[in-house]
This record gives sequence, structure tokens and C-alpha cells, in this order.
Amino acid sequence: AQSVTQPDIHITVSEGASLELRCNYSYGATPYLFWYVQSPGQGLQLLLKYFSGDTLVQGIKGFEAEFKRSQSSFNLRKPSVHWSDAAEYFCAVGNNAGNMLTFGGGTRLMVKP
Amino acid sequence: DAGVIQSPRHEVTEMGQEVTLRCKPISGHDYLFWYRQTMMRGLELLIYFNNNVPIDDSGMPEDRFSAKMPNASFSTLKIQPSEPRDSAVYFCASSLRGRAFFGQGTRLTVV
Repeated sequence: AQSVTQPDIHITVSEGASLELRCNYSYGATPYLFWYVQSPGQGLQLLLKYFSGDTLVQGIKGFEAEFKRSQSSFNLRKPSVHWSDAAEYFCAVGNNAGNMLTFGGGTRLMVKP
Repeated sequence: DAGVIQSPRHEVTEMGQEVTLRCKPISGHDYLFWYRQTMMRGLELLIYFNNNVPIDDSGMPEDRFSAKMPNASFSTLKIQPSEPRDSAVYFCASSLRGRAFFGQGTRLTVV
């Protein structure tokens, strides 16, 4: 069975600081990996995805993530956080068609001025 | 496209009543998903359809929950009878080639 763990429930960073959100997955084959962002009262918006190829993927809003098979990780990064990045972030793993997503518990990001 | 459209955005109902949540997926998408989000359990996949056919409903919590997709542009999730523990935000999502788009959700409160 596929599963996703996001070890950090809450993270607070200063505006302009760098960010890394951790994600570890469990999946029997080559995973399809996703990061979504959810603002309060809103649905989930896809930030980026990894299906195959280059292990460093670029997404929207200046985010990137790196797939590391040896560590079963897909951490999300951003070099300089903006106040508008405050939201909840979800990592997800999909089945071999990229569907049937299993989500992690989410990491709530707070940005202080 | 307007994205995935869910209605209503908010629903408050009394325990024992029937509740129907509606979803209009993005045109051309071949998968449709229903998720439930709660503080305690996070995001859970309830059921998903491929080309209007239910593929996996193992996440549906009880027989009180049912979902239909009569055509490519409409799906419903029904709870009958509703219970307070069903209170959650229910999301519909549609996808094409593994890229899922979510609706804004329906916040259900059962009192």
C-alpha cells in the first residue's frame, strides 16, 4: 500500500528565508509524486509533479522539489519565502497512472515578517 | 474552463437527513475523485471513477455513503442518513493524464 509521511505539522519561517518541507513516501514501484498547496477555505492547487526523468522538478510560484529514490523522499523547497506562501502544503503519491492519490497529513507554513 | 465546480459550498443539516453533494468536473477529464478532509484524518480518498465507471470505492466509510456519475459532466455524493461524524469538507477532483484539479470543496456540518 502506498503512504506518505510529512514529519513537520507546523513550520514557521521568516519572510525572505529559504524553505524546505519534508516528504517521505512508501510505494512499491516508481512513484508518481505531487505537491499541492491549500489556502484557507480553498481547494488544493497543484504546485508540481514528478513522473520520471530529471529528479529536480520546477513548479509554480518559485517552488521546486527533488526526488531522491535512495531516501524515499520528495522534499519541497523555495529559496526565498513570501508572506503569501503561508498555507498548508500536502505531498501526495499516486499509483502507476498518477491517479488514486494518497496524501500526507500536511504541513502548515506560517511566514513571519 | 471554470475548473471543478462543487455545490453547495456550505451545507448544514440535521442528523438523519439526506445530504447530496454535487460536482461538475473539468470537461475532457477522464477521472473523478471524491475526497473527505477532517482535522483528525486528513485527506481521505472515498471513491474514484474512470470514464464514469466507479473503479475503487474502498474508501467509502459506510453504506450510508453512495456516489454516482451518470455522465461525464456530473457526479453526486450522497449521505443517507447523515450523522454528526460526517461533518467535514468534501472535495471533488478531476484529472487527465495524472494531473488532478480540485474543487473548492463543500463544508458539511451535521448537527
